[in-house]
Amino acid sequence: AQSVTQLDSQVPVFEEAPVELRCNYSSSVSVYLFWYVQYPNQGLQLLLKYLSGSTLVESINGFEAEFNKSQTSFHLRKPSVHISDTAEYFCAVSANLQTGANNLFFGTGTRLTVIP
Amino acid sequence: DSGVTQTPKHLITATGQRVTLRCSPRSGDLSVYWYQQSLDQGLQFLIQYYNGEERAKGNILERFSAQQFPDLHSELNLSSLELGDSALYFCASSVGDRGSYEQYFGPGTRLTVT
Repeated sequence: AQSVTQLDSQVPVFEEAPVELRCNYSSSVSVYLFWYVQYPNQGLQLLLKYLSGSTLVESINGFEAEFNKSQTSFHLRKPSVHISDTAEYFCAVSANLQTGANNLFFGTGTRLTVIP
Repeated sequence: DSGVTQTPKHLITATGQRVTLRCSPRSGDLSVYWYQQSLDQGLQFLIQYYNGEERAKGNILERFSAQQFPDLHSELNLSSLELGDSALYFCASSVGDRGSYEQYFGPGTRLTVT
């Protein structure tokens, strides 16, 4: 089975400062990696994903994440945050299997609060 | 808007009762997943259907059941409700049944058991 650890439950950061949200995973099989964002009273939206190829993946709104296989990590970074980035961020994995369960396993989430 | 719809948006009911949550996937998506989000358990996978058939089960209680109909919409039935069942229930859909396919989440149904 897979598991995901998000070490920071809350991250406050000033506007225009850089931020890193940490994610580590554990799995006995190859995995796909995802970051989802949840704004208040809304569902989850996919922010970015790693399936294969380049280990650095980017989103359209300035976030990026790097897959590090040796450290089993998939940390999320943004060089300069905006007030609108305030939300809950979830790291998730799914198994890279031909058959069998491919549901998402989520971390406990990191609440990012951007301070004006 | 993800294209996944869930009804109702809110549900308040008493312990011991039974409720049905409904999900319509995005047009063309064959897989439907149900997840439960609660303060103490976080986001947990409950069950997956693919093209009408159960594909995988997670931490779903025996009091809970689900099905996917020929038109691909899905229902999650929760019975003998307990206070601890209060949570946000999400439905997600994807085009296929592999882990690489993006899952699109609905807005959720907030269940409150009193």
